Amino acid sequence: DAGITQSPRHKVTETGTPVTLRCHQTENHRYMYWYRQDPGHGLRLIHYSYGVKDTDKGEVSDGYSVSRSKTEDFLLTLESATSSQTSVYFCAIKGEETQYFGPGTRLLVL
Amino acid sequence: RKEVEQDPGPFNVPEGATVAFNCTYSNSASQSFFWYRQDCRKEPKLLMSVYSSGNEDGRFTAQLNRASQYISLLIRDSKLSDSATYLCVVNNFGNEKLTFGTGTRLTIIP
Repeated sequence: DAGITQSPRHKVTETGTPVTLRCHQTENHRYMYWYRQDPGHGLRLIHYSYGVKDTDKGEVSDGYSVSRSKTEDFLLTLESATSSQTSVYFCAIKGEETQYFGPGTRLLVL
Repeated sequence: RKEVEQDPGPFNVPEGATVAFNCTYSNSASQSFFWYRQDCRKEPKLLMSVYSSGNEDGRFTAQLNRASQYISLLIRDSKLSDSATYLCVVNNFGNEKLTFGTGTRLTIIP
């Protein structure tokens, strides 16, 4: 158990609304990541953070922003949700050997 | 060409059989290799790391062939509980990011 929680676990929203997903870790890891997982694409990196207020883009960052104001929390915001952002979102932390994942958030954008 | 490629399957294998998956990677600078397991509607979890000398964990054996740039996973005496999707994961030296294959789906049949 990597001590990662995500909230909400499920969300249904409408196109055009802003959505914020939260990732919380209890073990003071420096690196945190947001991925999305879609059939046929596998896990794709959206954004990641290497410290408080230090973030960088991944391969599918368009339409997403992130913030990390404290070590334990990494927020992912969809500025104006679109149907193409319907997905499962996983947060991860970098541990000693590799990355470890939170339980995921299922997001449906109608 | 995808950076990490896996046969998506599905592999339907009778209980007790041996099954093997291969994964190829394109970046010769890749340094760390892993197999993750993902159960339906759950997060990916580290199954095992893959070392240059090969490694074994119970019924699972992982091998790395750097010359041919592929990684393999062998499962012996398969159990119903081995049914899952197996993700091949690669990390490049000095890079804090992982690259994921799209996964190979395995179903063990009673």
